[in-house]
Amino acid sequence: GAVVSQHPSWVICKSGTSVKIECRSLDFQATTMFWYRQFPKQSLMLMATSNEGSKATYEQGVEKDKFLINHASLTLSTLTVTSAHPEDSSFYICSADGDTLPYEQYFGPGTRLTVT
Amino acid sequence: AQKITQTQPGMFVQEKEAVTLDCTYDTSDQSYGLFWYKQPSSGEMIFLIYQGSYDEQNATEGRYSLNFQKARKSANLVISASQLGDSAMYFCAMRDAGGTSYGKLTFGQGTILTVHP
Repeated sequence: GAVVSQHPSWVICKSGTSVKIECRSLDFQATTMFWYRQFPKQSLMLMATSNEGSKATYEQGVEKDKFLINHASLTLSTLTVTSAHPEDSSFYICSADGDTLPYEQYFGPGTRLTVT
Repeated sequence: AQKITQTQPGMFVQEKEAVTLDCTYDTSDQSYGLFWYKQPSSGEMIFLIYQGSYDEQNATEGRYSLNFQKARKSANLVISASQLGDSAMYFCAMRDAGGTSYGKLTFGQGTILTVHP
């Protein structure tokens, strides 16, 4: 089956620093990847749609200058949280579209970010 | 705009019993796909089952079945013979464009299921 990996699985950073999260499709090519944010016991909130070779499409209310997304290849998308603050602490999950019916999204294991 | 509603924040079920998790949706599209995902405490999202809007039969996958009532716009998940490992958060999600690839998923609020021994 299709596997999506994320790195790191957890990260602690100091306020004001930037942190990069990688999302890789291991055994398939992903033209489109998605980045979600999730708070404890809440639903997934789509942050942006990442398209290989083009600019990401951000959802309303998501600061694109703060959450930089780069989809440089068909197997790698990165999310960089710039000038992180404690309120950016959250669980970040990426996903990629499957290429066969029913085209379910394959999710990475998530990255837990804590900003101190 | 699409909307998914899960009205049960938490559900409890006895081991080996069946449980139904509710999901209603709202869309003006005629063609769409409905998904259920399971999220254990580890955080990974596990795909469970899919129902296309034009599918006439209710989807089934092992112990999971989807009770699809199109006129009522509901897509309830039924888990039969619950197991302790079923304890997790469950999300209902919808994708437009006929469930074809590259469409965004809209998620419901989720239901936390706890299975008691």
